[in-house]
Amino acid sequence: EPEVTQTPSHQVTQMGQEVILRCVPISNHLYFYWYRQILGQKVEFLVSFYNNEISEKSEIFDDQFSVERPDGSNFTLKIRSTKLEDSAMYFCASSVDRWAFFGQGTRLTVV
Amino acid sequence: KQEVTQIPAALSVPEGENLVLNCSFTDSAIYNLQWFRQDPGKGLTSLLLIQSSQREQTSGRLNASLDKSSGRSTLYIAASQPGDSATYLCAVYGGSQGNLIFGKGTKLSVKP
Repeated sequence: EPEVTQTPSHQVTQMGQEVILRCVPISNHLYFYWYRQILGQKVEFLVSFYNNEISEKSEIFDDQFSVERPDGSNFTLKIRSTKLEDSAMYFCASSVDRWAFFGQGTRLTVV
Repeated sequence: KQEVTQIPAALSVPEGENLVLNCSFTDSAIYNLQWFRQDPGKGLTSLLLIQSSQREQTSGRLNASLDKSSGRSTLYIAASQPGDSATYLCAVYGGSQGNLIFGKGTKLSVKP
């Protein structure tokens, strides 16, 4: 069964460092998303991406964040200079007909 | 702004019981509603999707209903098993946002 895959599963980084989280969406899906979940809190929307550009972003998605689809299969989230409060589980999702499928997540720990 | 609330926050039941999880949302202009399962420290597994034009969807022991006009959905789990223990999340798509808005979830524990 097709699935969204994310790498790495866990990343530890020092405050101020750049991180890139990687995702391979389901191949025939056209919409891609990043969400995050801070421990004990709701899953929150960060950004959606369609037709090689950002279609929507939340207030959380500031200039420190960027997304890219560098080739036909990968979708990445870059955090330019990580802060302690960026520690969270980051989920990639892709959708068709507004039915979203999520990856297993990347747990980002900023120390 | 769309808000999604799930009640109860936690639920503990003995194995074999039928149970209902509740989800409410403030803006009835939704495209669809999804129920997810999340195991501790893991990703989100999509369980059921109900389109806005539908009233319910069934998958195995799970049945989800949607009453869009009252802003409510329920997830019914029949004959619960210890393996059903997880957090169940409700999320709505649509309204003014083109993305999913999540509730905080109901943490279910099924005791053997």
